[in-house]
Amino acid sequence: SQKIEQNSEALNIQEGKTATLTCNYTNYSPAYLQWYRQDPGRGPVFLLLIRENEKEKRKERLKVTFDTTLKQSLFHITASQPADSATYLCALETGGFKTIFGAGTRLFVKA
Amino acid sequence: KAGVTQTPRYLIKTRGQQVTLSCSPISGHRSVSWYQQTPGQGLQFLFEYFSETQRNKGNFPGRFSGRQFSNSRSEMNVSTLELGDSALYLCASRELGAGGNYGYTFGSGTRLTVV
Repeated sequence: SQKIEQNSEALNIQEGKTATLTCNYTNYSPAYLQWYRQDPGRGPVFLLLIRENEKEKRKERLKVTFDTTLKQSLFHITASQPADSATYLCALETGGFKTIFGAGTRLFVKA
Repeated sequence: KAGVTQTPRYLIKTRGQQVTLSCSPISGHRSVSWYQQTPGQGLQFLFEYFSETQRNKGNFPGRFSGRQFSNSRSEMNVSTLELGDSALYLCASRELGAGGNYGYTFGSGTRLTVV
């Protein structure tokens, strides 16, 4: 069956360190993979989109990698800050105008 | 540019009633998707509309329906509400470009509580 897996356990890191979040998927051939940030009680906020023919994409302190052979994406936040504390969701877009979201990983950045 | 607007923000309904939720997408965005979010299930895809046509539907019962109007505004309807329908309902819009699809812009959601 099709599945998207993100670390269900929260990730706790110290301010200034790099946070790395993982998204694994099975039985999908996504054309695009997206990452979102969600704060409690709010809708997700789009961060980055990476296409299947791209290996890496960067935006300010954010970096996403996409390995279609391993069926995995890594999401990095460098020089993390307490304000980066949130839940981060990965999402796969396959054909058929349907985007499926993972359950998300909670990130806590301690000052 | 105004964001995605969802109304109402909060709603309390009784089992058996029906409810209509509204979504106004970002101007120029013709694709509108709806999601249900619960603590146990995460974000679950309900449906996607483009130019007034439903292009895909998630695995929800027929009690969940939607539509899109010519101005891209969308509504979703849930009939015969059940306690398990209590959730945050999120609407998201995006533009579709020739170079590939873009990320979604989500609204703040409608928090539906069924009692």
